[in-house]
Amino acid sequence: EDQVTQSPEALRLQEGESSSLNCSYTVSGLRGLFWYRQDPGKGPEFLFTLYSAGEEKEKERLKATLTKKESFLHITAPKPEDSATYLCAVQASGATNKLIFGTGTLLAVQP
Amino acid sequence: SAVISQKPSRDICQRGTSLTIQCQVDSQVTMMFWYRQQPGQSLTLIATANQGSEATYESGFVIDKFPISRPNLTFSTLTVSNMSPEDSSIYLCSVEFTGNEQFFGPGTRLTVL
Repeated sequence: EDQVTQSPEALRLQEGESSSLNCSYTVSGLRGLFWYRQDPGKGPEFLFTLYSAGEEKEKERLKATLTKKESFLHITAPKPEDSATYLCAVQASGATNKLIFGTGTLLAVQP
Repeated sequence: SAVISQKPSRDICQRGTSLTIQCQVDSQVTMMFWYRQQPGQSLTLIATANQGSEATYESGFVIDKFPISRPNLTFSTLTVSNMSPEDSSIYLCSVEFTGNEQFFGPGTRLTVL
């Protein structure tokens, strides 16, 4: 069964304190792995797509990496505005475009 | 990306009634989807809204409970029928252009009393 597990469930950082969020996955053929950011009361905002092991993508203070079993979202020198829930999702190879989501990591960055 | 809107943004409904949620996109898209986000749980795909044909439902979701319409390439509706408190959730539409990225609407927060 295709599955996504995110850790930790919640993370509290001081402003400027770098850290990483983990997304472990099992899927019958990976078509893509996706990272989203979700603010309270809003829909998920697309951040990155990763397609193959070894791939990396960056956007401002965020960097996403991918291995054959997991992905990391590295946050460098975070700011309070980075506080949000970060969601990881996978799309399996095959006819469906279904995204399978993890439960997310709630990040709080304190000034 | 695109501008995706949903109506209503939130609603409080009585048990046994139905609610129709609208999703509008400002450009034509091939793929539209409906997800549910229950409190403390991950997003779960309800169905793929197919333009001009019946929606494709995921396991555990049926057309009688969640009828979906897709009359054109920019609009879709999801109806939550005969609601119970267990249907209280956030309902989200998403769209996919070329490539695999899905972009989400702002969501509809439904509370069933």
